[in-house]
Amino acid sequence: AQTVTQSQPEMSVQEAETVTLSCTYDTSESDYYLFWYKQPPSRQMILVIRQEAYKQQNATENRFSVNFQKAAKSFSLKISDSQLGDAAMYFCAYRSYDGGGADGLTFGKGTHLIIQP
Amino acid sequence: GAGVSQTPSNKVTEKGKYVELRCDPISGHTALYWYRQSLGQGPEFLIYFQGTGAADDSGLPNDRFFAVRPEGSVSTLKIQRTERGDSAVYLCASSLLLRTDTQYFGPGTRLTVL
Repeated sequence: AQTVTQSQPEMSVQEAETVTLSCTYDTSESDYYLFWYKQPPSRQMILVIRQEAYKQQNATENRFSVNFQKAAKSFSLKISDSQLGDAAMYFCAYRSYDGGGADGLTFGKGTHLIIQP
Repeated sequence: GAGVSQTPSNKVTEKGKYVELRCDPISGHTALYWYRQSLGQGPEFLIYFQGTGAADDSGLPNDRFFAVRPEGSVSTLKIQRTERGDSAVYLCASSLLLRTDTQYFGPGTRLTVL
């Protein structure tokens, strides 16, 4: 079974600064997807960014980018120019590519991101 | 179009009661997923549907939990003889295809069992 570990329960950053959230995972599969989801107090999980394991190029979405290190099984999220609206819980998630076993997402425990004005 | 919707937003019940939680996926999405999120934790997978059939229900914790999707659209998660440990936020997600597409989440139902 796959596991996802987020070792930072809470992170704090000054507005306009850059912050990096860590995520590591354990799997024996070679093809899979990795995701970062944001969950504000409204509870709605919002997709931030997605990475296919077979792609070497790191995904980017505006101010959000990832550092995907497949050999190290690491998938960190970098948020540039942090904004007050970025404050939320951030979850790293894994999903198998070929559907072997459960096709649901496996989530980490989350990192609470605080933005200091 | 509209996103995933879930009703009710909050549900308070007493231990031993039966509850139903509803999920309305994004129109046209064939895959539907249920997750449970306990306080301070990430969501845990419960079950997913491809069309009307449960493709994998390996995440359901026990036989008190059951889910249906009779017409391949709306799904209902049913919990019998609720226990205090069932208190959590129940999230629903849908995707266009089962394997390759991103899952889009609803706002969840917060279930409190007294």
